[in-house]
Amino acid sequence: EDQVTQSPEALRLQEGESSSLNCSYTVSGLRGLFWYRQDPGKGPEFLFTLYSAGEEKEKERLKATLTKKESFLHITAPKPEDSATYLCAVGRQGAQKLVFGQGTRLTINP
Amino acid sequence: GAVVSQHPSWVICKSGTSVKIECRSLDFQATTMFWYRQFPKQSLMLMATSNEGSKATYEQGVEKDKFLINHASLTLSTLTVTSAHPEDSSFYICSALGQVRYSNQPQHFGDGTRLSIL
Repeated sequence: EDQVTQSPEALRLQEGESSSLNCSYTVSGLRGLFWYRQDPGKGPEFLFTLYSAGEEKEKERLKATLTKKESFLHITAPKPEDSATYLCAVGRQGAQKLVFGQGTRLTINP
Repeated sequence: GAVVSQHPSWVICKSGTSVKIECRSLDFQATTMFWYRQFPKQSLMLMATSNEGSKATYEQGVEKDKFLINHASLTLSTLTVTSAHPEDSSFYICSALGQVRYSNQPQHFGDGTRLSIL
């Protein structure tokens, strides 16, 4: 069974304090690993797709990396507006649906 | 970017009534749409997958007679919660995929519907 585990559940940082969020996964044939950001009361907003181990993608202060067992979302010099829940999901080859992790609630204090 | 609109964003109704939620892809044709349910501070739980023109595929434990899904066009899917009860209160979110199945394109999500049953 496909599984996604995210850690930590919650993370509080000071503005400018860089850190990383972890997403560990098991899947039978990875189609893609997806990172989303979700603000309270809103639907998830797509950030990145990673397809194979060693791949990296960047967007502003965020960089996502992928190995065969986990993905990291690195946040460099975060700002308060980066506060949100970050969700990781995997898609299996030949399947349309995604399996989501529980998310990491990130709070950036000014 | 791909835009998915969900309506209504918030609904309150009495126990026993039926509620319909619409999910529209505004700038692309969605062959596949997904319906999720999310409880406070929890992740998304997939309820069903709907492909345009065919019956929805429900996840284990989801009552298909309770949660009716219709995907009659390439831009619209609806979820009807029939005879809703307080335990059906939740945040319902839809997502959509474009025309290339099993590709690596991401699902694009609507902004959700907060359903409260009194």
